[in-house]
Amino acid sequence: GDSVTQMEGPVTLSEEAFLTINCTYTATGYPSLFWYVQYPGEGLQLLLKATKADDKGSNKGFEATYRKETTSFHLEKGSVQVSDSAVYFCALSVDYGGSQGNLIFGKGTKLSVKP
Amino acid sequence: DGGITQSPKYLFRKEGQNVTLSCEQNLNHDAMYWYRQDPGQGLRLIYYSQIVNDFQKGDIAEGYSVSREKKESFPLTVTSAQKNPTAFYLCASSDRGLSSPLHFGNGTRLTVT
Repeated sequence: GDSVTQMEGPVTLSEEAFLTINCTYTATGYPSLFWYVQYPGEGLQLLLKATKADDKGSNKGFEATYRKETTSFHLEKGSVQVSDSAVYFCALSVDYGGSQGNLIFGKGTKLSVKP
Repeated sequence: DGGITQSPKYLFRKEGQNVTLSCEQNLNHDAMYWYRQDPGQGLRLIYYSQIVNDFQKGDIAEGYSVSREKKESFPLTVTSAQKNPTAFYLCASSDRGLSSPLHFGNGTRLTVT
């Protein structure tokens, strides 16, 4: 079935370090791909999305490119800040014959950024 | 401001009691969802509804029930049949369409002792 696999955490970085969180997927349809972020004690917020191959989603300095050939959607940021500390979820939505599919989430990657 | 409101934020119940979690949205979204979040397990879908008066089971519906009598409301009842009810529960809504993102509430943390 459809699934999302993302790198296990926790990931600990120093401020201004480069961030990569890997995400790969399996899907039989034509997925849209998403990254969500969850700050402590809160719900999830959409960080960015891409709806077709080679699309790049970007927001708040974060980027991810939809790579169909490697079935990947890795999250990157050039210089992290302490305020980026959170849990990051990769997710996909698949077309089941024209009806709206539901999001399938990875297990989440916890990021801690030290000053 | 438009958004999703979940209440209460913290809820404590004794084992054997049913409990209902509230979820209200004013985003005019057709679809609404309930997820359960446990440490290290990500989000698991309990129930979803794409239209008023209709809903479908998700991956872990056993021990839960829902209703969708109004577009803006999608309450979740955790019944005494749910074997491990202590968890963080998240409600979400979205527009129709595969690329429509989910909008989440801030969650309800349920503790059953």
